[in-house]
Amino acid sequence: DAKTTQPPSMDCAEGRAANLPCNHSTISGNEYVYWYRQIHSQGPQYIIHGLKNNETNEMASLIITEDRKSSTLILPHATLRDTAVYYCIVINNNNDMRFGAGTRLTVKP
Amino acid sequence: DAGVIQSPRHEVTEMGQEVTLRCKPISGHNSLFWYRQTMMRGLELLIYFNNNVPIDDSGMPEDRFSAKMPNASFSTLKIQPSEPRDSAVYFCASSGSGTSGGGYNEQFFGPGTRLTVL
Repeated sequence: DAKTTQPPSMDCAEGRAANLPCNHSTISGNEYVYWYRQIHSQGPQYIIHGLKNNETNEMASLIITEDRKSSTLILPHATLRDTAVYYCIVINNNNDMRFGAGTRLTVKP
Repeated sequence: DAGVIQSPRHEVTEMGQEVTLRCKPISGHNSLFWYRQTMMRGLELLIYFNNNVPIDDSGMPEDRFSAKMPNASFSTLKIQPSEPRDSAVYFCASSGSGTSGGGYNEQFFGPGTRLTVL
């Protein structure tokens, strides 16, 4: 019962920006948007999170719409190693993190 | 830091046998999580502990599954008796206070244990 909707798959050319969308229209005021990714056969890896404002770190940028009903994860210069399943998760102050199906991103040379 | 450590990495057993999966969280982390991942159901939260106390075990499939955390550096997930439908990758994750500063703290996942029940 994930609270988010993501496209099942996307392709991106190596070196180009990858923009991964996520819809979370039922998000409540105290819920954060978190992004994780899972590279084949590995455990999920934290990428970034935000509440209202756009966020950037060394891995990615997170753009959250003003109404907070959707967000976009941006990998500015995708590499082959960014091929993975990307999960968008909405969570409040507890630790109950529910993963959906995610988006399978394939970066192509 | 070695990260979250899980053992064994692979386990093959026969139906009816007891299976014990082990996890060592990152030192200093106060929350520990057990997840199960299958092709059919994706990644599911089974149970999580805070300061060694089980907080939410609503994701535990049935009474055959049990989890313990006797101290801050060790947790086990036990399946007794095991069934073929328990075949999955089981992940352990830990998180600590003050690592992210918002909402809750990001979880660090171990490499997982791939369980096959024949």
